[in-house]
Amino acid sequence: DQQVKQNSPSLSVQEGRISILNCDYTNSMFDYFLWYKKYPAEGPTFLISISSIKDKNEDGRFTVFLNKSAKHLSLHIVPSQPGDSAVYFCAALAGGTSYGKLTFGQGTILTVHP
Amino acid sequence: EAGVVQSPRYKIIEKKQPVAFWCNPISGHNTLYWYLQNLGQGPELLIRYENEEAVDDSQLPKDRFSAERLKGVDSTLKIQPAELGDSAVYLCASSLVVGTANTGELFFGEGSRLTVL
Repeated sequence: DQQVKQNSPSLSVQEGRISILNCDYTNSMFDYFLWYKKYPAEGPTFLISISSIKDKNEDGRFTVFLNKSAKHLSLHIVPSQPGDSAVYFCAALAGGTSYGKLTFGQGTILTVHP
Repeated sequence: EAGVVQSPRYKIIEKKQPVAFWCNPISGHNTLYWYLQNLGQGPELLIRYENEEAVDDSQLPKDRFSAERLKGVDSTLKIQPAELGDSAVYLCASSLVVGTANTGELFFGEGSRLTVL
């Protein structure tokens, strides 16, 4: 039961263009969403997050959009840079009895070409 | 500030052998997590500690996996006996949770890559 899904295993983008990474979820109890970035042989690092009471959060080149009705969120990177090449994980946090449990998607490999 | 430290980084063992992983969280972090990451997948929670207490171990295969967090600081994750399917990266993470202010911003270590032959 994959509650957080990233249906695109990989994405290739030209430097300077926009990268859009997508994520879908099924659990209505999720109320906080995060994106993590992972370089090879390193642990994931936190990138940006959004609460379910918002529909947009921006931090520099990174913007996360949340569409609760569609249970969909996306990460926009503008402009994309070669150093952004990494695996991006979408993650979701639920309240209630699952409080504190972070559920990850499968990840999307982003490659930004110079 | 030192990050989450894990050891060993790499471990190769034969099936049925025991293996142990160690994690030192960020100083002051009260919550510690062990995640399992299979190739091409996202991390999956094995166990979560709040201080010394394991508050969520529902995903830990208790027949062969065990974990402890003595004194609410360092933690060890043990597998005995290891099986071929246990080959994966074992990630440790920590965070500071105050009351209900858990925003999921975990700090991960570099992981311990296990290969079972």
